[in-house]
Amino acid sequence: KNEVEQSPQNLTAQEGEFITINCSYSVGISALHWLQQHPGGGIVSLFMLSSGKKKHGRLIATINIQEKHSSLHITASHPRDSAVYICAVSGGGADGLTFGKGTHLIIQP
Amino acid sequence: KAGVTQTPRYLIKTRGQQVTLSCSPISGHRSVSWYQQTPGQGLQFLFEYFSETQRNKGNFPGRFSGRQFSNSRSEMNVSTLELGDSALYLCASSLAGTTIYGYTFGSGTRLTVV
Repeated sequence: KNEVEQSPQNLTAQEGEFITINCSYSVGISALHWLQQHPGGGIVSLFMLSSGKKKHGRLIATINIQEKHSSLHITASHPRDSAVYICAVSGGGADGLTFGKGTHLIIQP
Repeated sequence: KAGVTQTPRYLIKTRGQQVTLSCSPISGHRSVSWYQQTPGQGLQFLFEYFSETQRNKGNFPGRFSGRQFSNSRSEMNVSTLELGDSALYLCASSLAGTTIYGYTFGSGTRLTVV
């Protein structure tokens, strides 16, 4: 069974700061997903990665397959980035997605 | 294009009752997966359907079941409800498969069992 660990669990930062959220997993995977969940529950899929790096606007996601580690970066953070960020993995012998516990991010103005 | 639609948004049921939740995927998507989110356990995979067949199943008791129709709409059913079934139930649709294509999630159904 794949174990997915995220850090930090909670993060409070000032507007404009560079944010990094980390995710590590224990077993080889087919893909890693970064998800964003706002209060109220809706989940938005931000990235799906199997190698390398992806960028979308102020968000950057990287993955190191050998080290079984991924990072999500937010540049020039803004209060609207406040949300729970969840790392999930697919493949690795497991059915469906296996999720991390999430990182609760608060960006203060 | 329309997103993933889950109905109802909120539901209150009594212990012992059963409940059916519905998920309409994005047009053209053939895979629908279901997830349970609770404060204690976080997000957990329930099952995945593809072309009307259950392809994967998570570690949940048999009280949790689902099905998918020919138009790719999916329903999940929970029988003999327990207080611990109170959760946010999310579905996600994908074009064809879980490890190749990305997911689009619905807004969820918040179930409260009293």
